Amino acid sequence: DAGVIQSPRHEVTEMGQEVTLRCKPISGHNSLFWYRQTMMRGLELLIYFNNNVPIDDSGMPEDRFSAKMPNASFSTLKIQPSEPRDSAVYFCASSRQGSNYGYTFGSGTRLTVV
Amino acid sequence: GQQVMQIPQYQHVQEGEDFTTYCNSSTTLSNIQWYKQRPGGHPVFLIQLVKSGEVKKQKRLTFQFGEAKKNSSLHITATQTTDVGTYFCAGNPGGGADGLTFGKGTHLIIQP
Repeated sequence: DAGVIQSPRHEVTEMGQEVTLRCKPISGHNSLFWYRQTMMRGLELLIYFNNNVPIDDSGMPEDRFSAKMPNASFSTLKIQPSEPRDSAVYFCASSRQGSNYGYTFGSGTRLTVV
Repeated sequence: GQQVMQIPQYQHVQEGEDFTTYCNSSTTLSNIQWYKQRPGGHPVFLIQLVKSGEVKKQKRLTFQFGEAKKNSSLHITATQTTDVGTYFCAGNPGGGADGLTFGKGTHLIIQP
């Protein structure tokens, strides 16, 4: 199993540009989570999906952020337009609902908006 | 909303000393999970505690869940350089597939 796969690993973009982060969860996991990590705020839950359906997006900072999960093996997090304060590491994680094995995190995408 | 607080934020220890991090929730938790993140890495799941007063051990690591299910601790005996990293607790008040709320973590720094 290759684990949770995120791309790109690093992204540097100019303020105002659109950014799309991608995630492939572990096969068989039916819950998917997007987190953002910064030194100041730690790990923040942005949105999560169960069986491809968004359940709670209350952590999405503002309308510039959107997330989709068109099928069980793919999810995207889009920021449009990006701002310097969006700079952070974005993690995708997946789990099997009801599992005692916790979340499996991807390696993250380090986003820098200049 | 639910808050999960961890102390201390940073802990410096000499190699071989013990280490403890504490986690407190503002609400009763259905379960609590612990994760470790190495510098430059991603969080890795360590363990889940579910029952009131539960104690679990993984080699030199001991995890406890409080009787009221609002606090937890992680104790490492005789730290080694491989223990370096940030230890997070994460709460799930509703159980099931609710998104976890993570504490800010305790950064463990080990001096050889």
